Amino acid sequence: AQSVTQLGSHVSVSEGALVLLRCNYSSSVPPYLFWYVQYPNQGLQLLLKYTTGATLVKGINGFEAEFKKSETSFHLTKPSAHMSDAAEYFCAVSDPGRAGNNRKLIWGLGTSLAVNP
Amino acid sequence: EAGVTQFPSHSVIEKGQTVTLRCDPISGHDNLYWYRRVMGKEIKFLLHFVKESKQDESGMPNNRFLAERTGGTYSTLKVQPAELEDSGVYFCASSRRGRGIGELFFGEGSRLTVL
Repeated sequence: AQSVTQLGSHVSVSEGALVLLRCNYSSSVPPYLFWYVQYPNQGLQLLLKYTTGATLVKGINGFEAEFKKSETSFHLTKPSAHMSDAAEYFCAVSDPGRAGNNRKLIWGLGTSLAVNP
Repeated sequence: EAGVTQFPSHSVIEKGQTVTLRCDPISGHDNLYWYRRVMGKEIKFLLHFVKESKQDESGMPNNRFLAERTGGTYSTLKVQPAELEDSGVYFCASSRRGRGIGELFFGEGSRLTVL
């Protein structure tokens, strides 16, 4: 069965510092991988996704993530944190073998990011 | 274009009562999903509609939960009777059929508190 592990339920960084949010997955086949963000009082929003092709994917708001099959990881990074990045971040996977219309996502527990001035 | 809307945003009920959550997907989105996040736990899939048909309801916890999507537009999720462990945030998401991979658009969620 697939599973997702996000290391660190709370991460705190200074404004301008590197953001690194860790995600490891367990799957018998390379899954599709996603990062979602939830800002306060808003719905979940897709940050970026990996399906096939280039393993370094760029998302919105300056975030990027790299799929490393050998490490079964999909860590999220941003070179310089901004106050507006304070939110909860979720890593998720889906089984690429499923029918195209079924996006049954398996989620990590989430990481709450705080950005200090 | 209006996003996914959910109602109510917060509901507080007593154990044994009934609650109905509503989700209005983005217009034209055939796929509709329900997810739930219980405090301290990961977000979990409940079920998936394609138009009015249940495509996958493997995540529904038990028969106290009933989801419908009459006419293939909005969906309701009824919990009857509610138990303490049903407390959590219920998310609805929608997507176009065959469009993109993982491009789910989520509502803000309905927070259910069962006392």
